[in-house]
Amino acid sequence: AQTVTQSQPEMSVQEAETVTLSCTYDTSENNYYLFWYKQPPSRQMILVIRQEAYKQQNATENRFSVNFQKAAKSFSLKISDSQLGDTAMYFCASLYGQNFVFGPGTRLSVLP
Amino acid sequence: DTGVSQDPRHKITKRGQNVTFRCDPISEHNRLYWYRQTLGQGPEFLTYFQNEAQLEKSRLLSDRFSAERPKGSFSTLEIQRTEQGDSAMYLCASSSPEVTDTQYFGPGTRLTVL
Repeated sequence: AQTVTQSQPEMSVQEAETVTLSCTYDTSENNYYLFWYKQPPSRQMILVIRQEAYKQQNATENRFSVNFQKAAKSFSLKISDSQLGDTAMYFCASLYGQNFVFGPGTRLSVLP
Repeated sequence: DTGVSQDPRHKITKRGQNVTFRCDPISEHNRLYWYRQTLGQGPEFLTYFQNEAQLEKSRLLSDRFSAERPKGSFSTLEIQRTEQGDSAMYLCASSSPEVTDTQYFGPGTRLTVL
C-alpha cells in the first residue's frame, strides 16, 4: 500500500520569503506520479505541480519547484517569493494507476 | 470550460435520512472520481468511473454508499441511512483521456449529519 507523510502540520512564512514543505512517501512501484495540491480556505483544490517518477529533472512552475529524491522517497515543495495568496492547505499526493493517496496536509500561512 | 461543479455545496440532514450529491465533470473528461475529506485530513479515495463503468471502489465505500454515472457524464453519490460519522466534505474530480494522471477537483459538498 502507498502512504504519504507530511511531517509539518503548520508553517508560516513572511511575504516575499521562501518556504519549503516536506513530503515523504512509501511505494513499491517504479512507475508513479507525485503531486502537490493547494486548498485555499473554503475553496477548491488546485493542482500546483506534478512530477513523473521516471523523470530525474525536478519540476518547476513559476515560483513553485520541487526537490524530488527518488531513492529517499522524498518530494518537497519550495515556494519562492511567497505571496499572501499562497496561504492555504498544501497536500502532497502520490498516484499509481488510479490509486490516488493524499498526505494529511500542511497549513501554510503567509504573513504580511 | 467551467470546471468541475458539485451540487449542493452544503447539506445538513438528520441521522437516518438519505442524501444524494451530484457532480458534473469537465466536458469531455471521461474519468470521474469521488473522495471524502474529513476536517484536518487529506482526501480519501472512494470510487472512480471511466465513462459509465465503475472500475474501482475503496473499502471505505460501505453498503450504504452507492455511486452512479448512468450516461458517462454527471455522477451521483447517494448515502442511505446517514450516520454522524458520514459528516465530511465529499469531493469530486475528473480527468481527461489524454492526461489521466492529473485530476481537477470540484468545490465539494459539505455534509453535516445531526
